[in-house]
Amino acid sequence: QQQVKQSPQSLIVQKGGISIINCAYENTAFDYFPWYQQFPGKGPALLIAIRPDVSEKKEGRFTISFNKSAKQFSLHIMDSQPGDSATYFCAASQTGANNLFFGTGTRLTVIP
Amino acid sequence: KAGVTQTPRYLIKTRGQQVTLSCSPISGHRSVSWYQQTPGQGLQFLFEYFSETQRNKGNFPGRFSGRQFSNSRSEMNVSTLELGDSALYLCASSLIAGTNEQFFGPGTRLTVL
Repeated sequence: QQQVKQSPQSLIVQKGGISIINCAYENTAFDYFPWYQQFPGKGPALLIAIRPDVSEKKEGRFTISFNKSAKQFSLHIMDSQPGDSATYFCAASQTGANNLFFGTGTRLTVIP
Repeated sequence: KAGVTQTPRYLIKTRGQQVTLSCSPISGHRSVSWYQQTPGQGLQFLFEYFSETQRNKGNFPGRFSGRQFSNSRSEMNVSTLELGDSALYLCASSLIAGTNEQFFGPGTRLTVL
């Protein structure tokens, strides 16, 4: 059973455009929602994370939007660049537990 | 500050063999978690160690085991390898147990023939 569902599976965006990746979760006990970026041959790198006490968090060009009632959260990449081309994973876990439940990943391609 | 290091980076084994992978966390980090990444199943949690004790375990068979040493370095072992164990094995470190924020190493690519 997939605890975190992620869409789309792949995404192609023009340089300068906005990339949007969505995730949904079922377990209401989850209270930590990170996003990871993974390049081929590398491990996932923590991009940004949010907790349910806020609805939005922004770091540079990356923004997480969180909707607690809908049990959904999304990653927005503003002014997307070719260097952003990578696979993005959302994840969720509970405070006190380090077992992250990951989404299936979104392969983002930013076209110059 | 150096990141998470994993050795070896690549490994080829045959069915039935066993393998040991090593992970050194970020300096000062005391919690180590292991994940398996495959194209079919994605990223799945194996187990977490803190203070040389397993705190949490994912849904994997007993062939998968691990341990942590007093310097926080961790090893995971897979016995009686199966073809389906071919995967990227990732180690993640965090400052203490349960802080959620985890930093991943580059992984060990295991191929089982």
